[in-house]
Amino acid sequence: QKEVEQNSGPLSVPEGAIASLNCTYSDRGSQSFFWYRQYSGKSPELIMSIYSNGDKEDGRFTAQLNKASQYVSLLIRDSQPSDSATYLCAVRGASYDKVIFGPGTSLSVIP
Amino acid sequence: ETGVTQTPRHLVMGMTNKKSLKCEQHLGHNAMYWYKQSAKKPLELMFVYNFKEQTENNSVPSRFSPECPNSSHLFLHLHTLQPEDSALYLCASSQVGTAQETQYFGPGTRLLVL
Repeated sequence: QKEVEQNSGPLSVPEGAIASLNCTYSDRGSQSFFWYRQYSGKSPELIMSIYSNGDKEDGRFTAQLNKASQYVSLLIRDSQPSDSATYLCAVRGASYDKVIFGPGTSLSVIP
Repeated sequence: ETGVTQTPRHLVMGMTNKKSLKCEQHLGHNAMYWYKQSAKKPLELMFVYNFKEQTENNSVPSRFSPECPNSSHLFLHLHTLQPEDSALYLCASSQVGTAQETQYFGPGTRLLVL
């Protein structure tokens, strides 16, 4: 079983719609969860982090965590063409120095 | 100076060459990482240095040799590489010891092995 799984996509949404990105993880002891955005040819940049169950909102982004279901998601409201990128889910397990990245979901926002 | 810098940004080398990638972090972090990202593949963790001590080596071939002289600098020495080693090599740093720890990435070195 892969440690962090994401749908590879591509996920296409029209401009102004809500984009929903999903991630599941296998380590029940995981404590920290991150969403990174990576534009083509660029390095990943952190956009959200979440540590406790529930929702965390930052501007147009909302991260949702459900530890019982081992599931974390990222919602992007009012999607813009500039949101088109690959979104990487990353999970830190019980060992503080190891973060596991998922394969990423490619998002395309259609004008 | 931006948080994590990498040089060179682009590198073309032959299979018999020896080159080194350099990473420097200006964030006061105590851990540094090398990742490999190939086209259409997820990030692969190669090496982890925590307080300058290597704590992880994910079965990386010996033609990749890391060096961490201090907590701000990290090198990746390359020799006799193969064409399949062509990829984006990313350096990251973090402050280990808290659950809120986050990794910050450098811009990467795009490597092409001919």
